[in-house]
Amino acid sequence: GAVVSQHPSRVICKSGTSVKIECRSLDFQATTMFWYRQFPKQSLMLMATSNEGSKATYEQGVEKDKFLINHASLTLSTLTVTSAHPEDSSFYICSAWTSGGYEQYFGPGTRLTVT
Amino acid sequence: GESVGLHLPTLSVQEGDNSIINCAYSNSASDYFIWYKQESGKGPQFIIDIRSNMDKRQGQRVTVLLNKTVKHLSLQIAATQPGDSAVYFCAEKAGNQFYFGTGTSLTVIP
Repeated sequence: GAVVSQHPSRVICKSGTSVKIECRSLDFQATTMFWYRQFPKQSLMLMATSNEGSKATYEQGVEKDKFLINHASLTLSTLTVTSAHPEDSSFYICSAWTSGGYEQYFGPGTRLTVT
Repeated sequence: GESVGLHLPTLSVQEGDNSIINCAYSNSASDYFIWYKQESGKGPQFIIDIRSNMDKRQGQRVTVLLNKTVKHLSLQIAATQPGDSAVYFCAEKAGNQFYFGTGTSLTVIP
């Protein structure tokens, strides 16, 4: 299957700083990338959907100005957590999908810890 | 308001037994269904899929059953092994929309 990578896999940052997470589709072009967050022993929560070249669509309750998403190319989307707080600590997962395709291909996730 | 993740139901099975994980889906227009496996600290991995024109599909040790009448999907794992311990969740696709189930945490008892 298609491969999706995320970088970094783990990041620790101080409260008030910003951190960027990259999501790349390595062997296919993704028209759409999804960003999820997941708390321990809980289900995936969709944060936003980003289409290449367009503004991301955020789910209700997700702050656009805090979670900045850029999908500048068909192989790269970035999520920037701005002014991070300890409650932003979570597991962030991206997935990639091509219009007309079937399954979403998930990245390995990024563990964010805000101290 | 802020959305909250749902806590996962759990299933414990003895090693060697068969496991059945169930999923109720919501959209009658969904035409494609997937089961994912997620191990702790990792991203979800594709296990098996099925299209709506089928009611059963088999893979290696896994079988997916689809009952469109009651909008129910199940995953059967034969001869469950310790390496099968993970969270399993279903996904349905309707057009460009995806919907994910909450997931079930499977624990295999040696």
